[in-house]
Formats: sequence, C-alpha cells, structure tokens
Amino acid sequence: EAQVTQNPRYLITVTGKKLTVTCSQNMNHEYMSWYRQDPGLGLRQIYYSMNVEVTDKGDVPEGYKVSRKEKRNFPLILESPSPNQTSLYFCASQSHRSTEAFFGQGTRLTVV
Amino acid sequence: AQKITQTQPGMFVQEKEAVTLDCTYDTSDQSYGLFWYKQPSSGEMIFLIYQGSYDEQNATEGRYSLNFQKARKSANLVISASQLGDSAMYFCAMRDPNQAGTALIFGKGTTLSVSS
Repeated sequence: EAQVTQNPRYLITVTGKKLTVTCSQNMNHEYMSWYRQDPGLGLRQIYYSMNVEVTDKGDVPEGYKVSRKEKRNFPLILESPSPNQTSLYFCASQSHRSTEAFFGQGTRLTVV
Repeated sequence: AQKITQTQPGMFVQEKEAVTLDCTYDTSDQSYGLFWYKQPSSGEMIFLIYQGSYDEQNATEGRYSLNFQKARKSANLVISASQLGDSAMYFCAMRDPNQAGTALIFGKGTTLSVSS
C-alpha cells in the first residue's frame, strides 16, 4: 500500500530536549515536505526537499532542521524545542510526474 | 506572492443538501494547480480534487466538483448530497508555481457541519 508514515503520532516533551519526528514514504517520490498546522492559520510549510541531499527552507523554518540522506526518509529535527512549536505536523511526498501530494497521518507535538 | 483565502470559518448544512465552500486565490502566474483537502476530526489530510489552471473543464470526483472561475480567481468546492461523514475541515490549496515539488499554499480552512 502506498503511504507516508510519520512517527510518533503523539509526543509530549519538555522545552529544550532534542527530538526527531520521522517520515518515510514507499512510493519512490522525489519531493518531500514538512508542514505545521495551527488553529486559524491553516498549514504552513517548514522545509522541503526536491531530492536526496537537496533541501530548502519553507515559510516557517526557524527552530527546525531536516535531512534527506535517503530518498524515502525525511526526518524533522527540533534541536531545542520551545512551547511555540506545539503544533500538528504533517509530512508530505509527491512524484514530479503527479499533481497529488500524499500526506502522513500527522504528529501532534506538545512542548511544555 | 501567492495567497489562498477561505472566508467561511464554518458552514452548516443538512443531509442530502448541496453545499459550496468558497476559495479565492491570488497569483500572477499563468500556470498553477488548485487542490481541495478534507481533514476529519481524526486529523489526516485526504485529497479530494485537483484543478489545473489550463484545464478547460471543471474537475469532478464523485460528489465533489470544483467550480473554477479563472477570471474571478475562485475555485469553490461543491459537495452534492451531503452526508454526515462529510463533517470535517476543508482546506483549499494552491501549488506554488515557483517551487517545483510539494509546496502547497493553504487557506485557513472551513469547518463543515452536516446535520441529520
């Protein structure tokens, strides 16, 4: 089954404790992105990657890092999480031949 | 800069009625794509329908249709014969033509409530 898998689905952590949210897709897609969703703001792009070792900032990259060492994986790293990064996070992937973006199930992160 | 505007924070409709969710967009580019996604209370994002800027006909997918009016820069979603399971948040999005990839610019969403 074609899918984008994020882990964990839910996470509560404390300020300053480094964390990684993993994202993996099994569709051999070139493009992957991370978004955060906040009430009243819709989804905003954090980082994106056009292929292995090619990443770039989206609209709200501050406080986040990403890496794309393999085509299937695109982890989101919060080196020092803060409460304003409490949000619902989505990973998405897309083939350059397709118009549709496939989304993961979402990760609900709470930073206290 | 590209922008998506959804002016209806919430919409209420009865089962079996049709409902239109509004979406306007702003771009100076000639080539772009417009999407609608559904987000039920469980949180996942479900792709509903896509319209390319050069598509001459309005997109349809089952009970969903996209009323594309290019001159007005609107891309309204029409759901025919609403069902209780249609209750969810709906997002209109546009692919950023300056960024080849998964870059989607989202509106703030409209919450649809379907009652029996």
